[in-house]
Amino acid sequence: GESVGLHLPTLSVQEGDNSIINCAYSNSASDYFIWYKQESGKGPQFIIDIRSNMDKRQGQRVTVLLNKTVKHLSLQIAATQPGDSAVYFCAENVGGEKLTFGTGTRLTIIP
Amino acid sequence: GAGVSQTPSNKVTEKGKYVELRCDPISGHTALYWYRQSLGQGPEFLIYFQGTGAADDSGLPNDRFFAVRPEGSVSTLKIQRTERGDSAVYLCASSFQGAKETQYFGPGTRLLVL
Repeated sequence: GESVGLHLPTLSVQEGDNSIINCAYSNSASDYFIWYKQESGKGPQFIIDIRSNMDKRQGQRVTVLLNKTVKHLSLQIAATQPGDSAVYFCAENVGGEKLTFGTGTRLTIIP
Repeated sequence: GAGVSQTPSNKVTEKGKYVELRCDPISGHTALYWYRQSLGQGPEFLIYFQGTGAADDSGLPNDRFFAVRPEGSVSTLKIQRTERGDSAVYLCASSFQGAKETQYFGPGTRLLVL
């Protein structure tokens, strides 16, 4: 399949361990944040979102943490599985409708 | 179908040619977005439709790019006089009403300009 990126930041995690993917955003006015997962040859898949009036949100096996003081967002994946291997993007919404995406992090699960 | 669909999945064209890329959003979604993704990069916003009108086209790189959504459902992205630098994956997304709701992406059209 198509490689989404050849020189992305990479995180390698043992299967069954927890993963933490970090993202720094630039605009202090951003008020809505989303994490997407993108597998090779596919479009981005929604994972979880968080609004700026929250600092933590949990989903199934995933948790997003938002630190507005340092403009930092993280995605925690519990008990990573081989199917979690993908490129993960954070995206921010400043105002209006468009999303601004980060560079992405490639997560590789080691069996 | 349940998700956003895009056609064609792959398009190879020659420099200077005209191409059209189609997006079928999720049924009932009024907001539709086009993004472009180059290799190794995150998607970059091109244009946003609310209903039939282009509410924000600030991401279109130049006047060779144009998009329409005449009936408020299917959208077509049109690229005139294609250049090699236009080669990328063109992604379409839709959301129920916009306004900071989840954007669901299609699989993309991979455009290669030779």
